[in-house]
Amino acid sequence: DQQVKQNSPSLSVQEGRISILNCDYTNSMFDYFLWYKKYPAEGPTFLISISSIKDKNEDGRFTVFLNKSAKHLSLHIVPSQPGDSAVYFCAANRRGSTLGRLYFGRGTQLTVWP
Amino acid sequence: DSGVTQTPKHLITATGQRVTLRCSPRSGDLSVYWYQQSLDQGLQFLIQYYNGEERAKGNILERFSAQQFPDLHSELNLSSLELGDSALYFCASSVGGTGGLYEQFFGPGTRLTVL
Repeated sequence: DQQVKQNSPSLSVQEGRISILNCDYTNSMFDYFLWYKKYPAEGPTFLISISSIKDKNEDGRFTVFLNKSAKHLSLHIVPSQPGDSAVYFCAANRRGSTLGRLYFGRGTQLTVWP
Repeated sequence: DSGVTQTPKHLITATGQRVTLRCSPRSGDLSVYWYQQSLDQGLQFLIQYYNGEERAKGNILERFSAQQFPDLHSELNLSSLELGDSALYFCASSVGGTGGLYEQFFGPGTRLTVL
């Protein structure tokens, strides 16, 4: 049962434009959300996170928005750069849970072209 | 470099065989997680260890087992391998084992191919 869903397997964006990656979740117990970035032949690396007490978190060019009522979050990258081309995974868990495991979406392949 | 090492990088074996994947967590990290990524799938949680003790199990098959040793490195044992076990296996580590409080750092993965 996929509790975190990324319905777009791929996204292509021109350099300098905004990239918007979407993620939906079904488990209302989730209250901590993360985005990971993965290059080929490497493991996922943490990018940005958001707690359910916030609806927005920014870190440089990356902003994550959380809509709890819709159980939806999105990652905005502005401006997009060719080096951002990677697979982006959305993940979630329950803060404070003794189970630290993450629930991952299937990922979205972002391609930023010049 | 995340500081998490996994060996081997690639493994090719035949159906019915047994393999062992190894993970060394970052220095100081007590918790180790194993995830499996099959083709076009997200990372599926297999099992978590914290300071040598099993903390949680996910979708781990009975043919699979794992352990965490006193030096905190971990091994994932896969036996009676089937074609469908072909996947990327990632190990991650974190300082603590509690959700949402500790960043998980991922190793580069072991790509297992079962022929």
